[in-house]
Amino acid sequence: GAGVSQSPRYKVAKRGQDVALRCDPISGHVSLFWYQQALGQGPEFLTYFQNEAQLDKSGLPSDRFFAERPEGSVSTLKIQRTQQEDSAVYLCASSKDRSNQPQHFGDGTRLSIL
Amino acid sequence: DAKTTQPPSMDCAEGRAANLPCNHSTISGNEYVYWYRQIHSQGPQYIIHGLKNNETNEMASLIITEDRKSSTLILPHATLRDTAVYYCIVRVGARGYSGAGSYQLTFGKGTKLSVIP
Repeated sequence: GAGVSQSPRYKVAKRGQDVALRCDPISGHVSLFWYQQALGQGPEFLTYFQNEAQLDKSGLPSDRFFAERPEGSVSTLKIQRTQQEDSAVYLCASSKDRSNQPQHFGDGTRLSIL
Repeated sequence: DAKTTQPPSMDCAEGRAANLPCNHSTISGNEYVYWYRQIHSQGPQYIIHGLKNNETNEMASLIITEDRKSSTLILPHATLRDTAVYYCIVRVGARGYSGAGSYQLTFGKGTKLSVIP
């Protein structure tokens, strides 16, 4: 089925490098979310888009984190000057709209910073 | 969003019903109860959600107490593939949306369900 697709599935980068993580939401889904999941913890909210508008970025841990969704579909999460504490699984979720419709998640990108 | 309390772990025999409890004593009238599960190395999977009535779908049943302070997720015939971490989350619905920052899911530690052969 056409679920949420994330790429790459795994990413290894050296400390200080920039990385870009991609999310393809379910077709037609208006809302898109990024979450960060540390080992052994539940996912934590990073940022939220309604179409192309980034309505909430309160969860982004620092100004090194940047997300965009220019055409209201595909989204990219960029991390500049990566640090070891950025190592985590980054999850993307989409939902039809901002009502009580459930969010559907991709399988995430596992980022390891050496 | 209101906080939820779940037991850290539970065991269930294969083929038996798994009953996963969740306390949400501070839930507001406009907050829904959502259940997700996460199997190792996968993203969270939506299971079911409800406001105040009991709900059932092909995966599970959700029983919400009349005072809405607690709920139970029921997997009627647990299989080994149901071994996962189960998250109970409360969140406002559309009418309760008050602006940015209130629409994301807030995950706790969940319940690790182990289905035993």
